[in-house]
Amino acid sequence: KAGVTQTPRYLIKTRGQQVTLSCSPISGHRSVSWYQQTPGQGLQFLFEYFSETQRNKGNFPGRFSGRQFSNSRSEMNVSTLELGDSALYLCASSWSDLGETQYFGPGTRLLVL
Amino acid sequence: AQSVAQPEDQVNVAEGNPLTVKCTYSVSGNPYLFWYVQYPNRGLQFLLKYITGDNLVKGSYGFEADFNKSQTSFHLKKPSALVSDSALYFCAVRDIWAVRDDKIIFGKGTRLHILP
Repeated sequence: KAGVTQTPRYLIKTRGQQVTLSCSPISGHRSVSWYQQTPGQGLQFLFEYFSETQRNKGNFPGRFSGRQFSNSRSEMNVSTLELGDSALYLCASSWSDLGETQYFGPGTRLLVL
Repeated sequence: AQSVAQPEDQVNVAEGNPLTVKCTYSVSGNPYLFWYVQYPNRGLQFLLKYITGDNLVKGSYGFEADFNKSQTSFHLKKPSALVSDSALYFCAVRDIWAVRDDKIIFGKGTRLHILP
């Protein structure tokens, strides 16, 4: 069974631009979560989707948004990029939203110049 | 709200010695606890989890973790460390009974160095 895939793997943007990251969960998984990882802040929760509905949201500004499609694929969008948005963005999928083990993708490394 | 702490930023262990990576947590209800490992330029890999049952949980690559409810700890252990165990380790907690706040919270990570 294929693992979680994320595209693109690397991205360079400039301040003020927007970016969309994509995540394809493991087949059959209906829950997708997004995390931001930085050396200073560690792993921070962005949001969680289950069956196209946002279940949980972390403490990030409204510039960060996401959605989930009927095939469980998910996208997250960051508008008006800031230098501090440079990070590794990780997507994780699980079969359900009830504390099941999350399986992580390789991440998208975003660099904002 | 739930929280998790990994008190050590870095742990150094000689190859062949036992290793322990510490984790303490705080939840209002019953915790689901997880350990993940991250190798350079990779996503997180699942090691083990505690939901209920035996306090000693066995996981991948010879790792195990000890759930201690009275001390609210979930320390990761391995009897004999390998150089290949060198990586970044994350503890995570989820309180699935927390209404509208049952997201998974990760610790800041502990970097494990196994010295040859």
